[in-house]
Amino acid sequence: QQQVKQSPQSLIVQKGGISIINCAYENTAFDYFPWYQQFPGKGPALLIAIRPDVSEKKEGRFTISFNKSAKQFSLHIMDSQPGDSATYFCAASITPRVGSYQLTFGKGTKLSVIP
Amino acid sequence: DTGVSQNPRHKITKRGQNVTFRCDPISEHNRLYWYRQTLGQGPEFLTYFQNEAQLEKSRLLSDRFSAERPKGSFSTLEIQRTEQGDSAMYLCASSSRGQGEGPQHFGDGTRLSIL
Repeated sequence: QQQVKQSPQSLIVQKGGISIINCAYENTAFDYFPWYQQFPGKGPALLIAIRPDVSEKKEGRFTISFNKSAKQFSLHIMDSQPGDSATYFCAASITPRVGSYQLTFGKGTKLSVIP
Repeated sequence: DTGVSQNPRHKITKRGQNVTFRCDPISEHNRLYWYRQTLGQGPEFLTYFQNEAQLEKSRLLSDRFSAERPKGSFSTLEIQRTEQGDSAMYLCASSSRGQGEGPQHFGDGTRLSIL
């Protein structure tokens, strides 16, 4: 059972446009939702993260919108640039009493920003 | 911050051989994670160390897999009697625990190809 569902699988956006990637989760115990960016041959790099006590978080051109009742969250990339072309992963984790903060990832969205 | 370092970057081996990967986390990080990423998928959690103690293992980690973190610094992941299905990118991540959990920082992975 896939606990974090991500869409779309791929996305093509014109330079300067807005890229929107959506994720939905099942487990209401999740309380930390990061987005990672991955370039070919590289490991995932943390972009931005949110906790359920806020509905939106913005860092530069990247914004996370969070809807707790719908169990959905999304990444918006404003003024998309060719350098943003990468694969984006949403993830979720649970704050444990003991143990790990293991991340559960979506399947990824391959973003292509065309000039 | 020198980042998480993984070696080797690529490993090609014949089916049935043993392989070992190494991860050097960010120096002050006491938490270390191993994930596996197959083509077109998000990373999947394999195992977790807090200092030198291996506290969690995923059911994905068969008996052929073993991980160590002998002095709470670097970690190794060994796969015995490799199979075709072991072909994947093996990612290491580390994090610190200061005021709550810090973000997980990923290395660039070891890509394993089984002939």
